[in-house]
Amino acid sequence: DTEVTQTPKHLVMGMTNKKSLKCEQHMGHRAMYWYKQKAKKPPELMFVYSYEKLSINESVPSRFSPECPNSSLLNLHLHALQPEDSALYLCASSHNAAPSTDTQYFGPGTRLTVL
Amino acid sequence: SQQGEEDPQALSIQEGENATMNCSYKTSINNLQWYRQNSGRGLVHLILIRSNEREKHSGRLRVTLDTSKKSSSLLITASRAADTASYFCATISSNTGKLIFGQGTTLQVKP
Repeated sequence: DTEVTQTPKHLVMGMTNKKSLKCEQHMGHRAMYWYKQKAKKPPELMFVYSYEKLSINESVPSRFSPECPNSSLLNLHLHALQPEDSALYLCASSHNAAPSTDTQYFGPGTRLTVL
Repeated sequence: SQQGEEDPQALSIQEGENATMNCSYKTSINNLQWYRQNSGRGLVHLILIRSNEREKHSGRLRVTLDTSKKSSSLLITASRAADTASYFCATISSNTGKLIFGQGTTLQVKP
């Protein structure tokens, strides 16, 4: 099973809402990632978790709050977002703990729209 | 910051033709990877080529790597309409494990 799943597929939220994005993998991967992708741009790294601990935060605003409850799950909690945060949010995982040069396997993404 | 540059930015070909995309990068690498992304969806890993390899094949895909020029190319032979997608090259920082993508090439294969 080389699948990374993400829910929801689509999310529309207001600037005062609190919502969460979920990511799950059952490949026993030790590193998990959040990326943000704007239209017609490449993905940009937001966070890296290694062995359930945050290892990289790419200076992401605090309105994005990641959480790794266990080795299979990765959440991204959203609060007080801005319209410019509208994007495709991608989760990925890789076998070895970060830093690693392993292949990263991506989920299908959550399309987020902030009104 | 994104370190990869890809060209062309967009490519339109007829089914059955070959498609070539090029990627350049700036720093030393352990490997270079190519990903495909269908419109608005997740990325699918296509192929990984290590820094000590010069060429690699996978089905209709052929990847080359020239570390002296810091460049790579992806060739898709006998293209199909289903190959229509965006293609990204990516390098990984060995210090952080951070995957750094090129700007991508949008490929359209016309039936």
